This record gives sequence, structure tokens and C-alpha cells, in this order.
Amino acid sequence: NAGVTQTPKFQVLKTGQSMTLQCAQDMNHEYMSWYRQDPGMGLRLIHYSVGAGITDQGEVPNGYNVSRSTTEDFPLRLLSAAPSQTSVYFCASRITLGSQPQHFGDGTRLSIL
Amino acid sequence: DAKTTQPNSMESNEEEPVHLPCNHSTISGTDYIHWYRQLPSQGPEYVIHGLTSNVNNRMASLAIAEDRKSSTLILHRATLRDAAVYYCILRDGSKVDSSYKLIFGSGTRLLVRP
Repeated sequence: NAGVTQTPKFQVLKTGQSMTLQCAQDMNHEYMSWYRQDPGMGLRLIHYSVGAGITDQGEVPNGYNVSRSTTEDFPLRLLSAAPSQTSVYFCASRITLGSQPQHFGDGTRLSIL
Repeated sequence: DAKTTQPNSMESNEEEPVHLPCNHSTISGTDYIHWYRQLPSQGPEYVIHGLTSNVNNRMASLAIAEDRKSSTLILHRATLRDAAVYYCILRDGSKVDSSYKLIFGSGTRLLVRP
């Protein structure tokens, strides 16, 4: 059972480039989400999804797009990378019943020059 | 969303108990208290959660004040592997959408001395 898998683990981009961060989970969780974590700070929610075909914005959605075509995958797209998007990105998933915990991936460390 | 207040950092000696406090004076009756921790260079990891009663699991214990305005995460014997940032987070269990969102503060950085 792999849990939540994020790829790549590290990436360097130039300003204006586009990129997709991948997130996959094998636990059949309905809920998936993306967070970013800047140095010395807590995580901030970017986008989330409560099931295939359903997405919504979190605290800091600007500059990011998401889609959810399958239960397993929830990719995060940067259409035109900016230095302010340099951060560590975490994907998480959980089941929707009750107050169950979220499972996090190990993160993607993204640097934009 | 109700907010939480935690000390920025705490220190402990290895194999001694650690009590990590969290204040949440504006907590509502439907807010669950969740604790996550984040080891260096890793994603957050669930530790424990509760609503009103004290809770125990293999990782830790959660003591909730009678008025629910504060709680304490208890690590019974700290190890070097417990050095992490610990987040106390409230989750509203009454609303379907909002209950899915975790609002992270800056947490408490726990240092464990050998």
C-alpha cells in the first residue's frame, strides 16, 4: 500500500514555464487536496476535491489549476511559474466519512528562478 | 474557523514525558481537536484527535480541558525521532465542506535533547 505518492520530488523551473505536479493515492479516498509550505510557515490550502469531477479553491488558489478526472489522481498545474511560487507542495487525501485523518505525501520541492 | 495558539518551541530530554499545550478559546461544540506533526523534510503525519473525552493511541495521549478551551498533547517518553513541528488544528465536524479543510498555524517546534 503506497499511500499518497507525489512526483517529482524536486524540480527547478524558469519564470514563465509551465509544469504539472502529480499526486496519486491508492486508498480509494474521495477527498484530495494540495497545500504549499513556505519556509518556517505552516501549510496553506491551494485547492481541494471531494470526488472525481469536483474541485474547489482553498486559501491561496491564484496561479494554480487542478482537475480530478479519476478518484486516484489529483494533478496541480502551474501555467506560468513565478518566483513567488517557490515552495514545498504537499498533496493529501482522506475518506469523507466521520472525522478521519488526512494522509500526506512526502512533498515536491519546487524552485522557480 | 476557530483559531489555536501554541508556543513557538519547546525542549525536552530524551525518554522524559512531553506536554505540548494548545489554546483554543473560541472552539465551538462541533470542533474536533486534531494534532499532526511534521518531521524534517517530510509531509505532516496524523498523531491523534478528539472531541470531548481524553484519547490515547500508540503514539500519544490527548488531554482535553473540561471547558474544551485548551488541550494538551502528551508524548509519554520522548525519543529523538519525536523532534518535529507539532500542529494543533480544529476541524468543524458539522459542515461537510469545511470539515475537509485543515488550517495549519505555525505549530510548536519540539527539540529533544539526547
